[in-house]
Amino acid sequence: DSGVTQTPKHLITATGQRVTLRCSPRSGDLSVYWYQQSLDQGLQFLIQYYNGEERAKGNILERFSAQQFPDLHSELNLSSLELGDSALYFCASSVVGGRSETQYFGPGTRLLVL
Amino acid sequence: KNEVEQSPQNLTAQEGEFITINCSYSVGISALHWLQQHPGGGIVSLFMLSSGKKKHGRLIATINIQEKHSSLHITASHPRDSAVYICAVGRGAQKLVFGQGTRLTINP
Repeated sequence: DSGVTQTPKHLITATGQRVTLRCSPRSGDLSVYWYQQSLDQGLQFLIQYYNGEERAKGNILERFSAQQFPDLHSELNLSSLELGDSALYFCASSVVGGRSETQYFGPGTRLLVL
Repeated sequence: KNEVEQSPQNLTAQEGEFITINCSYSVGISALHWLQQHPGGGIVSLFMLSSGKKKHGRLIATINIQEKHSSLHITASHPRDSAVYICAVGRGAQKLVFGQGTRLTINP
């Protein structure tokens, strides 16, 4: 158990809908990362937050947005969902988001868009 | 060409064999990570290294910065080592770029 929690574990929804994925980092970790793992693209970095502020952005679509709240939990919002958004979404956390830190991964949220 | 290339893509071996998984990268990095993804999907961080060698139990990771290459070795492999092993390189502010993964199957 990494100490990172994600909810929900599974999500099934329809195209065009909007969903919110939630992540709670390990106790004491200030930085949160979001990753997408799809069958055709593998694991991809989406976005990183540190202490409530966006720090780095990766291949995140404009239909996706994220935020980190004062209690350090983070939410990833996915809107206007398409079939291709079906994937495993992982959250990870680290202490301060530095260059050479271990990241601890949550169990993931499996999203299926029908 | 991907920034991070792993080989082999698939590896099947017998219990007890010595396993080597390779990772080559083409860009400057701050650190290299080895991750293990279990059949259920969960990801565990095995190693993070920026130079030399690290060992944890039966697992050994090495990195050669000049050659932009890292290896993950498993000694006395066991069926419970069956998983996907993923190499990832840290770029910039901890953005990770991932290899495509190596699927390892250890038969009893």
